[in-house]
Amino acid sequence: GQNIDQPTEMTATEGAIVQINCTYQTSGFNGLFWYQQHAGEAPTFLSYNVLDGLEEKGRFSSFLSRSKGYSYLLLKELQMKDSASYLCAAWDSNYQLIWGAGTKLIIKP
Amino acid sequence: DADVTQTPRNRITKTGKRIMLECSQTKGHDRMYWYRQDPGLGLRLIYYSFDVKDINKGEISDGYSVSRQAQAKFSLSLESAIPNQTALYFCATSDRTGQDTQYFGPGTRLTVL
Repeated sequence: GQNIDQPTEMTATEGAIVQINCTYQTSGFNGLFWYQQHAGEAPTFLSYNVLDGLEEKGRFSSFLSRSKGYSYLLLKELQMKDSASYLCAAWDSNYQLIWGAGTKLIIKP
Repeated sequence: DADVTQTPRNRITKTGKRIMLECSQTKGHDRMYWYRQDPGLGLRLIYYSFDVKDINKGEISDGYSVSRQAQAKFSLSLESAIPNQTALYFCATSDRTGQDTQYFGPGTRLTVL
């Protein structure tokens, strides 16, 4: 079956760095997305990876290893506003988007 | 103005009632989606439409129906609401070109008593 695994919850300190991991098992693969979702709000697009390697966007970076079925989202210089859930989603071979349950990130002062 | 809008934003209804959730977009995207989100679960796809004449069932379509009235409008109906349809419902749109990123509306919180 198809599956996306990511930790349920993580805690980090303001100003620090945190890495949120995501492993995926899909029938085929056509790319991986990361979204940010604040409580009660809509998910908003953060990044997309289809090739192996690291994509950097300001304080946020996303990494993909297709051979390992693995991705991570790296958040640097954490701010209180980064407290949110982070959703990992992968396109399968039929271009159906398979979603993980999300990782709730709690930032402490 | 928001690119993807949903109405209503909140709705409380009773078991057995028919409910319609509406979604409109000004992004000019062909593709539209309806998802539900429950605590501890990922987004689950209910229906999707790649253009006005193309409607497809998603993972959990039972108990739901949709109508694509125009490129910009996609409505979700619950024919006879039941309590386990209590959830947060999101509409999303995407452009068929490029990476097909999905853009979400603000959500409708539906409670079925």
